[in-house]
Parts: sequence; C-alpha cells; structure tokens
Amino acid sequence: GENVEQHPSTLSVQEGDSAVIKCTYSDSASNYFPWYKQELGKRPQLIIDIRSNVGEKKDQRIAVTLNKTAKHFSLHITETQPEDSAVYFCAATLADSSYKLIFGSGTRLLVRP
Amino acid sequence: DAGVIQSPRHEVTEMGQEVTLRCKPISGHNSLFWYRQTMMRGLELLIYFNNNVPIDDSGMPEDRFSAKMPNASFSTLKIQPSEPRDSAVYFCASSPWGGANNEKLFFGSGTQLSVL
Repeated sequence: GENVEQHPSTLSVQEGDSAVIKCTYSDSASNYFPWYKQELGKRPQLIIDIRSNVGEKKDQRIAVTLNKTAKHFSLHITETQPEDSAVYFCAATLADSSYKLIFGSGTRLLVRP
Repeated sequence: DAGVIQSPRHEVTEMGQEVTLRCKPISGHNSLFWYRQTMMRGLELLIYFNNNVPIDDSGMPEDRFSAKMPNASFSTLKIQPSEPRDSAVYFCASSPWGGANNEKLFFGSGTQLSVL
C-alpha cells in the first residue's frame, strides 16, 4: 500500500529564515498532495495542496514543489514567523481510492523569535 | 458555516465503558471521515462514508469500534467496550464530493478520549 515518509521530524529555525519539509511517497499513481498545519491542541487545517499535473504552487510565503519522477514533494516556508510554529503533515492519496489520504508522521516546526 | 462540529471535546471514561463520539459535518458535504490521532501511529483513517453509506471501514481496529451515519448531518463513532489503548484524539472530517475540491478535508476540533 501507499507509504508516505516525512522528514525531518523536528525543525527549529530563526525567525525570518526559511523552512523546508520533505516527503516521499511510494504509489507512483498518487495524484493529490496536500499539506496540513496543526497547532497545539487544534485541528489539522489545509494550508496548500498540489496535484500531479503541476510542478509548483505558491501562496504568499508558502510553496509546494512536486517531483513525480522522484516521487517526492516539499513544503517551503519563507520569512518564517513565530505563528508558523506548529506540526505540519504531508499526505498523498491512493491511486485506487482517491478519498483516502495517507498522512506522513509530521514535522514539528519551531520558529525562534 | 460553523465548520465540522464534534462532541464532546474531552471524554474521560473507565475501561469497559461504552463511549460515543458525535459529529456534524459541514452542510452540503457528501463525504465524512473518522480519523484517530496518536503519537505512535499519527493520523489513521478509521472509516469513510459517502452519501451516508459506509464505503471503507478497513481502518476500524476491532469489532469494538462501530460507526453510523443515519443522515447527512450526523455521525457517531462508538467504542464498546473501551480499553486504555483506545486513548487518542478522534477527528471527524468532511469533504465536498464531485468537484475539483473533493479531496479537501475539513476537520472538526476533535475529541480527546482518555480511557483509564
């Protein structure tokens, strides 16, 4: 079945620096890759997503890149702010069950003021 | 819209007791999901409903777990009898279906379950 690996598990950056979180997936037919942000004690919330027919997508300070050949995708956060501190989850859909999202194990991002 | 509404927010119970978690999806969303989140296993899909019909329950861990969706605006997840290893945060999520956004999940606030 699909497996999503996420790295690093924790990431600490200085405010203003960039942060990059990487994920790899195993099912070459996966076609949808969302990123969720979960603040402490809160619900996961979708922050950005990308489909397999696109290589990059940006939304203000966040961007996601997708390399289908290598089966990996990354989240990039520029000009980090303390409120970016949270756990970030990547996910990928199964090719034969588009409703089923397989989540990565999460990255705890700490932005130091 | 108030979003996905779950109740209770916190549940503390003793081993062997029945636990019922409740969820009201976003109006108009045809898909409903129950997820369980633990430190060890992360976010796991338990069951998926589409148009109130259970489509995939392969993630339900044991027969002690059951879920229902009697109508488009309400779903329950029941654990009977509960065990300490069921302690986790249980999230309900809903999604629109049929359009380009059908994969986007909207999560509720979750139920923090502690089984003593």
